[in-house]
Amino acid sequence: DAKTTQPNSMESNEEEPVHLPCNHSTISGTDYIHWYRQLPSQGPEYVIHGLTSNVNNRMASLAIAEDRKSSTLILHRATLRDAAVYYCIRGSSNTGKLIFGQGTTLQVKP
Amino acid sequence: DVKVTQSSRYLVKRTGEKVFLECVQDMDHENMFWYRQDPGLGLRLIYFSYDVKMKEKGDIPEGYSVSREKKERFSLILESASTNQTSMYLCASSFVQASRYGYTFGSGTRLTVV
Repeated sequence: DAKTTQPNSMESNEEEPVHLPCNHSTISGTDYIHWYRQLPSQGPEYVIHGLTSNVNNRMASLAIAEDRKSSTLILHRATLRDAAVYYCIRGSSNTGKLIFGQGTTLQVKP
Repeated sequence: DVKVTQSSRYLVKRTGEKVFLECVQDMDHENMFWYRQDPGLGLRLIYFSYDVKMKEKGDIPEGYSVSREKKERFSLILESASTNQTSMYLCASSFVQASRYGYTFGSGTRLTVV
């Protein structure tokens, strides 16, 4: 099960939108795409997930490419509390487990 | 508020000690997992369990064992702690279809072996 690919780090200014990209070109048609984030000294926490359609919740939006080979997590207005490592994760229907990559460290500047 | 609880946030143990890390979930999840997280290496799966008394090795099981006597509790055991087991340990749980519903993680236990 191949892992996803994300940039190692990104920067954003406070109160501006942030678009975090993820490549998952080998994903199968039944694998879900999950996004988690991890604050320092905490366990990862759920952000959003989807299969084919774009998804919105109170934390973020998830835009999934039509071919499902990539997706983008959108934070509409970044705050300092959004500084974290963001993981784009493949939910493997083959193994039944989440496949974690290395994540993107998001820095938010005041 | 549903959650996964790890018994200790910080733990310091001596080399050679037997160490127990406890994890309890209150969501009636079938699956439970133990990961370790190290800088530059990401999350690595140690063991997982998909039912009571069932366990399967993950990617790095050497030096560890697990116990799941009750559905809500999953214990990680370091039979003889070594300094290279100093790490952040994360417990997670999920429904059977984890690929669809995702995991819930605990807050982690930072273990230092001296």
